[in-house]
Order: sequence, then C-alpha cells, then structure tokens
Amino acid sequence: SQQGEEDPQALSIQEGENATMNCSYKTSINNLQWYRQNSGRGLVHLILIRSNEREKHSGRLRVTLDTSKKSSSLLITASRAADTASYFCATDALGYGQNFVFGPGTRLSVLP
Amino acid sequence: DTGVSQDPRHKITKRGQNVTFRCDPISEHNRLYWYRQTLGQGPEFLTYFQNEAQLEKSRLLSDRFSAERPKGSFSTLEIQRTEQGDSAMYLCASSRRQETQYFGPGTRLLVL
Repeated sequence: SQQGEEDPQALSIQEGENATMNCSYKTSINNLQWYRQNSGRGLVHLILIRSNEREKHSGRLRVTLDTSKKSSSLLITASRAADTASYFCATDALGYGQNFVFGPGTRLSVLP
Repeated sequence: DTGVSQDPRHKITKRGQNVTFRCDPISEHNRLYWYRQTLGQGPEFLTYFQNEAQLEKSRLLSDRFSAERPKGSFSTLEIQRTEQGDSAMYLCASSRRQETQYFGPGTRLLVL
C-alpha cells in the first residue's frame, strides 16, 4: 500500500496567495522530504524534516511534521507563477528498506 | 557538483525491442536509485545500489528489467522485450547517505 498521500490532488490559486499542501503517511519514519517537479522534468529537492523536528523553514517554504498524526504540510507563501509544478512528499518509511516512497503529488497552478 | 545526468533523455522504440538507459550520479555519492514514473503519479521505486552492490529490488522489477552499476560509478537499466506498459519516465537519483536524493532529468520511454 502507498506510504504517502498528498492532499489536495490539485490546487489552483492566484499569484501572491499562499498555498498549503498536506501529506499523510502510514508507518514510522526517519525523515520526510518534499520535492517539486516541473512538467516533464526531474524532481528538485525542497526540504527535509527529520522525525524529531516539528517545523522547518526555507525561504518562502514552511514545512511542519506531526508524527502523532503521521502528517506533514508544505506552505508556500506569496506564491509566484514559477511555483506552478507538482509537489511530492517522500518518506523513508522504516521497514520499507532504503528507498523513498512517494505519494501521487499535488498539482499546483499559480495564476498570474 | 555537476548533478545527476541521464542518457538518453527520450527514447522511442517498438514493442519487443530492448532498450538501455544510463545514469551518471554525483561523483561522491555511493547510493544510486532507479524509479519509474507514469503520468500523474509519483515516482515508484525500482532498485537501489550501494556502491556496486544491488541491495534492493522492487516487485515492480520484472525479469525483463536488469540494472547494473559496475565499479560503483554509472549505472545502466536495461529493459528486454519492451511492452507498451513500459512507457514511462525512468528517473535516476543518487545520495551520499539515506537522506536527500538528487534526481536526474529522467529518460522518457515510449513503446509503440
């Protein structure tokens, strides 16, 4: 069964607004990561949050992690058209071996 | 740091033909991963190398798929007797430890 699931599947906002995406997972993790993928391209690493951390910031990105609820959120503030992409969370689920398990992603559209 | 590179970027083949993809990881990274991604989905793990040893293989990796990483540097992924269902983006990633994976641009395969 899939480890990570992003919510919503698709999100459309106006430039300047904030975008929030959520990720839920099922088993214990060491860390959780968020990646961005522009259409037809490879994935770009955004941020890593460890299981003993609750919040991390990187520029306009804010990630939270709630291990009790097995969920994480990615907030993009003051969105730009260039933020239009698919966003994936990936977990290194304990017991799933060395690979990362990705969710299906949230497709974000930022309208100018 | 020249990043992860993949070759070719696009491949069109006829059903039944064999194809081989190459991945060159970031030079100091000892871990290398292959993923497959279909439209609208997140990447799915295929296999993982630590140095030259193939340590993990997904059940998705049928007998027609084989991967190698001679000398622990570049890796190749071969698909024999391709089927239309093999059409996907094949992504390679590398990492130094079990943390951030850096992805290449992918090889898009179309099987006619």
